[in-house]
Amino acid sequence: QVRLVESGGGVVQPGRSLRLSCAASGFTFSSYAMHWVRQAPGKGLEWVAVIWYDGSDKYYADSVKGRFTISRDNSKNTLYLQMNSLRAEDTAVYYCARGDGSSGYWYLVLWGQGSLVTVSS
Amino acid sequence: SYELTQPPSVSVSPGQTASITCSGDKLGDKYACWYQQKPGQSPVLVIYQDNKRPSGIPGRFSGSNSGNTATLTISGTQAMDEADYYCQAWDSSIGVFGTGTKVTVL
Repeated sequence: QVRLVESGGGVVQPGRSLRLSCAASGFTFSSYAMHWVRQAPGKGLEWVAVIWYDGSDKYYADSVKGRFTISRDNSKNTLYLQMNSLRAEDTAVYYCARGDGSSGYWYLVLWGQGSLVTVSS
Repeated sequence: SYELTQPPSVSVSPGQTASITCSGDKLGDKYACWYQQKPGQSPVLVIYQDNKRPSGIPGRFSGSNSGNTATLTISGTQAMDEADYYCQAWDSSIGVFGTGTKVTVL
């Protein structure tokens, strides 16, 4: 079954760190770019980051650049998002998504169920 | 930074046509995608590369993109189409989502 399953969310204090994971199954993980997208409560979708299929390139939204790091382990079919210096405004459901199509022109067909991150003291 | 603007809401009667616009500078020079999201669910891709439908998406969903505006059209709207819709494009590999439109089927 083709699926993405996020984990690692929870409640964390401002300024602390958290790492999200996204386990892929049912497809050749190492052939696809992967993305993180988030959605604050009651708000719209916000793209967060992308990593190339082989990890050779990464891009970030300005709102997380320098604080978040996207990475992947193709031997474990797993995508990660390391989130440091967390702020209240990082509170959101975080989705991982597979990037189909050409680099820089992806479309996100496959999404995970999301993992809630709450930044609060 | 690049921005995409959508109307906050669109209302449509069952069986009628709903059109949702997405405006951005020279958006027609980029590929536009559209995502549908129902409450408590993950987004679903309904249109990619301006006007292509993924497998399993009904034919009543169509898209266009020219100039500064991309448009998602839902023909013969059904109650199940009530949802939030987001346009999306790429600006030098940076993802940008539109502000979102809530479609209400009255």
